[in-house]
Amino acid sequence: DTEVTQTPKHLVMGMTNKKSLKCEQHMGHRAMYWYKQKAKKPPELMFVYSYEKLSINESVPSRFSPECPNSSLLNLHLHALQPEDSALYLCASSQGRGARTEAFFGQGTRLTVV
Amino acid sequence: DAKTTQPPSMDCAEGRAANLPCNHSTISGNEYVYWYRQIHSQGPQYIIHGLKNNETNEMASLIITEDRKSSTLILPHATLRDTAVYYCIGRRSISSGSARQLTFGSGTQLTVLP
Repeated sequence: DTEVTQTPKHLVMGMTNKKSLKCEQHMGHRAMYWYKQKAKKPPELMFVYSYEKLSINESVPSRFSPECPNSSLLNLHLHALQPEDSALYLCASSQGRGARTEAFFGQGTRLTVV
Repeated sequence: DAKTTQPPSMDCAEGRAANLPCNHSTISGNEYVYWYRQIHSQGPQYIIHGLKNNETNEMASLIITEDRKSSTLILPHATLRDTAVYYCIGRRSISSGSARQLTFGSGTQLTVLP
């Protein structure tokens, strides 16, 4: 199983809503990532979790709150978002160490903030 | 991680080899060259990576110059399904217990023409 599964695939939310994005992998990877991608731009790193601990936060606004409940799951909690936060949100995972360090990406959640 | 430079776009005829160049003149000795591609509205997909030697897998070949300042990704027989944005990324090897993120540049939009 080399899949990273993201749910939901599409999400429309109002600026006062609270929602969560979910990411799951069963490859035994101990590093997990959130990226944000705007149209016609490359993915931009948001957060990195290594062995269930937050290791990198790329100065992301607090309205985005990541959570790693266990080694297979990664959540991104959303609250009070702005229309400019509309984007494709990508989750990825990789081995935390060793030679095989390629990252596997999910298909993303297309988020629209209205 | 090394800064990489790629042409913004390239065309290739279906069935012909697609050769995608990447400059990484500031790459350090322990940085790998990774290639990913992203088909429209999907998550990035790992293709191949290498350090010094040329590499080949079922998807592509990676040719790295002797001075490691540039590399070329070769898709030997391009198909319409290879139309995507191709990203060349420099990435240091993962040390014990840490995670190394992928930093995406602008990439090359490859269009395979019928």
